[in-house]
Amino acid sequence: GAGVSQSPSNKVTEKGKDVELRCDPISGHTALYWYRQSLGQGLEFLIYFQGNSAPDKSGLPSDRFSAERTGGSVSTLTIQRTQQEDSAVYLCASTLAGASGNTIYFGEGSWLTVV
Amino acid sequence: AQRVTQPEKLLSVFKGAPVELKCNYSYSGSPELFWYVQYSRQRLQLLLRHISRESIKGFTADLNKGETSFHLKKPFAQEEDSAMYYCALEAGGTSYGKLTFGQGTILTVHP
Repeated sequence: GAGVSQSPSNKVTEKGKDVELRCDPISGHTALYWYRQSLGQGLEFLIYFQGNSAPDKSGLPSDRFSAERTGGSVSTLTIQRTQQEDSAVYLCASTLAGASGNTIYFGEGSWLTVV
Repeated sequence: AQRVTQPEKLLSVFKGAPVELKCNYSYSGSPELFWYVQYSRQRLQLLLRHISRESIKGFTADLNKGETSFHLKKPFAQEEDSAMYYCALEAGGTSYGKLTFGQGTILTVHP
């Protein structure tokens, strides 16, 4: 089956605009994660979903960032009023269940550039 | 809070030479440790995990709790090993797959 799918793969936006990034996890995976990969910061955890609920939002950098998941499947990460420091690759990952030790599968990422 | 440190941002070796990518962690409990790899133009993927005690593509990693290290080793590097490598930690208990990553090491294997 297909892996974790993300769109768009590349997005260039003007500072101050809102952007939406989409993640389609592997079918049947109940746990979904968003990470951010940026120069100098490595990979940072943003948010975790188990089903449609988000028990851990601790990594969201500001209230401009939000995410939702519907139907226990697709997730959307929204960044409002984008800033240049938001430029990064946003990675989505999923796993069969939110439990320690499960293999986590990553998407190819959405490369966001804020100009 | 847990932390993962990869002291080398860049590592260059010649084909056939041994390679060791360093990873140190800080965590008060019993961690699960992983190495992830990202080849050029490919997605991040799991290379190996310490609980499996496996060798993948000739790579091994041993968890040393005394030194809080999980270094990745390969006795004879190949050109196709050139990639970005991330060490990652999953805290025990109810951490539900949330990973803390190191900054990554770019390995370049020269012919």
